[in-house]
Amino acid sequence: DSGVTQTPKHLITATGQRVTLRCSPRSGDLSVYWYQQSLDQGLQFLIQYYNGEERAKGNILERFSAQQFPDLHSELNLSSLELGDSALYFCASSTWTSGYTDTQYFGPGTRLTVL
Amino acid sequence: AQTVTQSQPEMSVQEAETVTLSCTYDTSESNYYLFWYKQPPSRQMILVIRQEAYKQQNATENRFSVNFQKAAKSFSLKISDSQLGDTAMYFCAFMKLDSGNEKLTFGTGTRLTIIP
Repeated sequence: DSGVTQTPKHLITATGQRVTLRCSPRSGDLSVYWYQQSLDQGLQFLIQYYNGEERAKGNILERFSAQQFPDLHSELNLSSLELGDSALYFCASSTWTSGYTDTQYFGPGTRLTVL
Repeated sequence: AQTVTQSQPEMSVQEAETVTLSCTYDTSESNYYLFWYKQPPSRQMILVIRQEAYKQQNATENRFSVNFQKAAKSFSLKISDSQLGDTAMYFCAFMKLDSGNEKLTFGTGTRLTIIP
């Protein structure tokens, strides 16, 4: 158990819908990362938050958005869903050690199926 | 931009044998970390081992060790005394430091099967 929690584990929805994925980082970790794992794209970085502020963006679609709340949990919102958004979405968290970001530990993932 | 290449899509080895998974990367950075993550059938991403680029000594974690060749930009994972529980996808990953963007860049993975 990495200490990172994600809910829900599975999500099945229809095209055009909107869903919210939730992540709670390990205790003490200020950084949260979101990754998408799909069969054709592999593991792709989406977005990073540090202590409530967006820190970096990757290949995140405009239909997707995220935020990190004061209690440090994070939510990834996916809207106008398409079949191609079906994937495993991971959240990871890390801390800072001696001025550098440390190892990222992953949650169990949320499997999204868009029908 | 950094790239990570894993040239072995699949490997298999007999239980108790030793296996080495290959990874190469391309970067102009000098300050970075390299990782191996394991993804078993449960799909959980599990950290196997980490190597800091500034360290010359190769990292070791029990049966897992790496061969880090910085000049060659090579980072292979050796699994000794392989066990059935080692069956998984293994991903090599790169993380640049001091960039304001500590994302992980992953390779495409190697599917490892341990044969009883």
